[in-house]
Amino acid sequence: NAGVTQTPKFRVLKTGQSMTLLCAQDMNHEYMYWYRQDPGMGLRLIHYSVGEGTTAKGEVPDGYNVSRLKKQNFLLGLESAAPSQTSVYFCASSYLGVAGELFFGEGSRLTVL
Amino acid sequence: AQSVAQPEDQVNVAEGNPLTVKCTYSVSGNPYLFWYVQYPNRGLQFLLKYITGDNLVKGSYGFEAEFNKSQTSFHLKKPSALVSDSALYFCAVRVMTTDSWGKLQFGAGTQVVVTP
Repeated sequence: NAGVTQTPKFRVLKTGQSMTLLCAQDMNHEYMYWYRQDPGMGLRLIHYSVGEGTTAKGEVPDGYNVSRLKKQNFLLGLESAAPSQTSVYFCASSYLGVAGELFFGEGSRLTVL
Repeated sequence: AQSVAQPEDQVNVAEGNPLTVKCTYSVSGNPYLFWYVQYPNRGLQFLLKYITGDNLVKGSYGFEAEFNKSQTSFHLKKPSALVSDSALYFCAVRVMTTDSWGKLQFGAGTQVVVTP
């Protein structure tokens, strides 16, 4: 049971480049989330999904897009990377929307030069 | 707007001593409260949660937390700290209101350092 798997774990981009982060979960969870973690700011929600085919904006959605074509996968895209998007990105999933705890991936460290 | 505060950036404690990590929250409805721990270069791991019922919640690795509605606090405690408890701890609050999906709001985190 792998839980939540994120790929890639590390990536360096130049300003303006695009990339996609992939999140896969094998727990049959309905809810999936993308967070970014920056020093002293905790975790901030970028986008989330309450089920296959649905997505919604979180606190800091600008500059990111997401897709949930399959229940087990949640993709986070950066169309034109900016240095302000240098961060550690975490994917999470949960089986309950409100009362359920989140299961996190190991993180993807992105540096934009 | 809902918010959660962790007033201490870092907590230092000697191994074997009690450990307390503070968390206060501000919400307009009934809060769902969570504690997570993050070890270096790892994702967050769930420790415990308060949804309803007994104000004292027991969780993983010997941790517990007490929900105090009057003080709007949810402090994390461990009677006897271990060096392996050194990590970054996050408090989080989720509230359901009529017009809210119930997003999870994380605190900024508290670094716990346990010295031998």
